[in-house]
Amino acid sequence: GENVEQHPSTLSVQEGDSAVIKCTYSDSASNYFPWYKQELGKRPQLIIDIRSNVGEKKDQRIAVTLNKTAKHFSLHITETQPEDSAVYFCAASTSDSWGKFQFGAGTQVVVTP
Amino acid sequence: SAVISQKPSRDICQRGTSLTIQCQVDSQVTMMFWYRQQPGQSLTLIATANQGSEATYESGFVIDKFPISRPNLTFSTLTVSNMSPEDSSIYLCSGGPVDEQFFGPGTRLTVL
Repeated sequence: GENVEQHPSTLSVQEGDSAVIKCTYSDSASNYFPWYKQELGKRPQLIIDIRSNVGEKKDQRIAVTLNKTAKHFSLHITETQPEDSAVYFCAASTSDSWGKFQFGAGTQVVVTP
Repeated sequence: SAVISQKPSRDICQRGTSLTIQCQVDSQVTMMFWYRQQPGQSLTLIATANQGSEATYESGFVIDKFPISRPNLTFSTLTVSNMSPEDSSIYLCSGGPVDEQFFGPGTRLTVL
């Protein structure tokens, strides 16, 4: 089955700096890669996703890149703000298992003013 | 997007008892799933809630322990049966049109 590895487990950045979180996946059939942000005590919230026919996607300060050959994808947050502090999870799924995710272990991001 | 609610939000239960968690979606969704999340940990998929048929369980989870119903495209329940302290966790449902999935707020279960 699919295995998703996520690094780093914790990330401390100064406000205004960039943050990068990396994930690798094992199943070459995976074709959908969402990123979720989870604040303490809250539900995971979908912040951005990418499909395997796209190499990069941006939404304001957030971008995701995908390298299908290397089987890894990354989340980039620019101009970080204190409200970006949260746990971020990457995930992967295949077209024959729509919506059924294998999650990474999560990255605790702390943005210090 | 889909808006998902869960009931109860939290509960404290005695070992050996059962708890049924409800998940309601504000629109019809194709896919619904149930996850478990230990505090400080990632999400682990329990099962796919199939509308009109038996749920599909992941390795390590069985129907006798976690029976699931999905009577229609907007509603599902998860029962945690014969609970033990090891079942203490946060249980979340997700739902969405196809691959996009939105999560409920979770049910925090404590088993004494």
